[in-house]
Amino acid sequence: AQKITQTQPGMFVQEKEAVTLDCTYDTSDQSYGLFWYKQPSSGEMIFLIYQGSYDEQNATEGRYSLNFQKARKSANLVISASQLGDSAMYFCAMREGYYGNNRLAFGKGNQVVVIP
Amino acid sequence: GAVVSQHPSWVICKSGTSVKIECRSLDFQATTMFWYRQFPKQSLMLMATSNEGSKATYEQGVEKDKFLINHASLTLSTLTVTSAHPEDSSFYICSARLGLAGGPPDTQYFGPGTRLTVL
Repeated sequence: AQKITQTQPGMFVQEKEAVTLDCTYDTSDQSYGLFWYKQPSSGEMIFLIYQGSYDEQNATEGRYSLNFQKARKSANLVISASQLGDSAMYFCAMREGYYGNNRLAFGKGNQVVVIP
Repeated sequence: GAVVSQHPSWVICKSGTSVKIECRSLDFQATTMFWYRQFPKQSLMLMATSNEGSKATYEQGVEKDKFLINHASLTLSTLTVTSAHPEDSSFYICSARLGLAGGPPDTQYFGPGTRLTVL
């Protein structure tokens, strides 16, 4: 079964608007971590934001915030005030279990194109 | 901080030759590094987990003798694609795990990737 589900088709978003990228996950572990990465056309994977399963507050990093709904097992990424440089693929990932478990399960990604 | 370099960024080789790709953590020590393969418009596929000083752990379906991994130091892991064939053409990307000291636990920081084309 898929651990991470990202099903949105490619998205076009107007510059300066906010965009929400959906991510749902599947795990029976109580302790886990959720990550979002950005992959521009150059190919590099850029770490954006992290949410631990025990974190009570939604994570925020600059223009990025994570809408963590534990009961629904969703971890949506919100990008505020979109910029042209935000055009990229965005991957949601999960680490199951306690720290040191190492492996991340990645979703299939969301394509975002920001238009001026 | 948490910078990972990868070399070369692209390589073209003839079928049957071997290609070595280096992955270095520049400003932190990484006891664990990962090697992924990515096909166009697809997600990352984990190939193997590389642990410093020990043998790599390969994912199911990944040929150990085909994709040789060496993690000789806390800052360097190498992937050698042996006897490369056109079907090995792909984007290979490495990552290094940042430990508990600093940053979110188990965050993987990625290199810029290597695009391999086998003719």
